[in-house]
Amino acid sequence: EPEVTQTPSHQVTQMGQEVILRCVPISNHLYFYWYRQILGQKVEFLVSFYNNEISEKSEIFDDQFSVERPDGSNFTLKIRSTKLEDSAMYFCASRFRDSSYEQYFGPGTRLTVT
Amino acid sequence: AQTVTQSQPEMSVQEAETVTLSCTYDTSESDYYLFWYKQPPSRQMILVIRQEAYKQQNATENRFSVNFQKAAKSFSLKISDSQLGDAAMYFCAYKRGRGSEKLVFGKGTKLTVNP
Repeated sequence: EPEVTQTPSHQVTQMGQEVILRCVPISNHLYFYWYRQILGQKVEFLVSFYNNEISEKSEIFDDQFSVERPDGSNFTLKIRSTKLEDSAMYFCASRFRDSSYEQYFGPGTRLTVT
Repeated sequence: AQTVTQSQPEMSVQEAETVTLSCTYDTSESDYYLFWYKQPPSRQMILVIRQEAYKQQNATENRFSVNFQKAAKSFSLKISDSQLGDAAMYFCAYKRGRGSEKLVFGKGTKLTVNP
């Protein structure tokens, strides 16, 4: 069964560094998402992406964040200058264009900012 | 803003027994969707069951069923004949019917299944 994959599984970076988190959504899916979960807190929506542009973003998704679909298969989240509070689990998700609205999630990337 | 509350951080059940996980939500919308996702340890979240708010009939998927009380804004998940493989974090999530793609999640309930 097709799955969303994410790399790396764990990323450690120093404060102020740029990081890129990578996701490969399911191949025929058209909507793409990033969520994050700070330890002990809820899973929070960051951004949705459709038709090569951001369709919705949360207040968390400020100018430090960007997303890109550089080719037909990858979907990336870039954090330009990481802060300690960016430490979290980042989940990518994708969905097909149907009325079920089912989002398929990847296993997550644990980002640790030191 | 919509919120989702799962009041049970942890639950446990004996194998083959039935367990109910609670979820309440707050919204002023009339058109929305509710979901239960399961996240086994070190695995991705997978959808367990979905309920459209306009449907009065409670959704069922094999051993999983929901009790959707729209007026009370309650959406509980019942797992019948619990199996060891049901052990996981369970997240309740809400999505507005139109105009938004985002899922709003509860904090999750950790379910332990005892043999």
